[in-house]
Amino acid sequence: EVQLVESGGGLVQPGGSLRLSCAASGFTFSSYWMNWVRQRPDKGLEWVANIKEDGSTKKYVDSVKGRFTISRDNAENSLYLQMNSLRAEDAAIYYCARVVFFGDQADYWGRGTLVTVSS
Amino acid sequence: DIQMTQSPSSVSASVGDRVTITCRASQDISNYLAWYQQTPGKAPKLLIYTASNLQSGVPSRFSASGSGTDFTLTISSLQPEDFATYYCQQANSPPYTFGQGTKLEIK
Repeated sequence: EVQLVESGGGLVQPGGSLRLSCAASGFTFSSYWMNWVRQRPDKGLEWVANIKEDGSTKKYVDSVKGRFTISRDNAENSLYLQMNSLRAEDAAIYYCARVVFFGDQADYWGRGTLVTVSS
Repeated sequence: DIQMTQSPSSVSASVGDRVTITCRASQDISNYLAWYQQTPGKAPKLLIYTASNLQSGVPSRFSASGSGTDFTLTISSLQPEDFATYYCQQANSPPYTFGQGTKLEIK
């Protein structure tokens, strides 16, 4: 069974940092692109970043470029999102998902981890 | 960036009704479009990929069509579990933007 479990969310002050993790199981992690999508409270979905199977290609939405870094450890079946210089508008539930079809069409999603940015 | 616009933003319907949701892209995205369903407190669920392909396990009452800039998602006969929010997402080029969502409510 495919499972994605996010962790690492929490309360952080503006300007602070957090590292989100996504533990994958039930599939060959190293064979799939992976992504992060976020959802602000009571708002819609926003694609954040994705990463190629071998980690060689990474894409980001402009609003996080230079502040967030997506990475992966295929030996540990884990996806990460390092978030620096956090802003109030970064507060959201962050989902990791497995990309299975062209572009960023994702078939399995984790339950998400909540990031709160507040002083 | 490609903008995705869904209509309506919300719709009220009854069990058994047929409902259609529209998604329009700000530029040609060929057939690189996905539809997701999200219920409160849950992660999104993939319904349709590449504009018209039903994801495994999704009931056949869901169908979708379109290419270029205009797309539709149709639910042929609403069931109680279908009342949720639906999002389209373009998969043509990053950033892979979503529509703002269509909330399907019980009448």
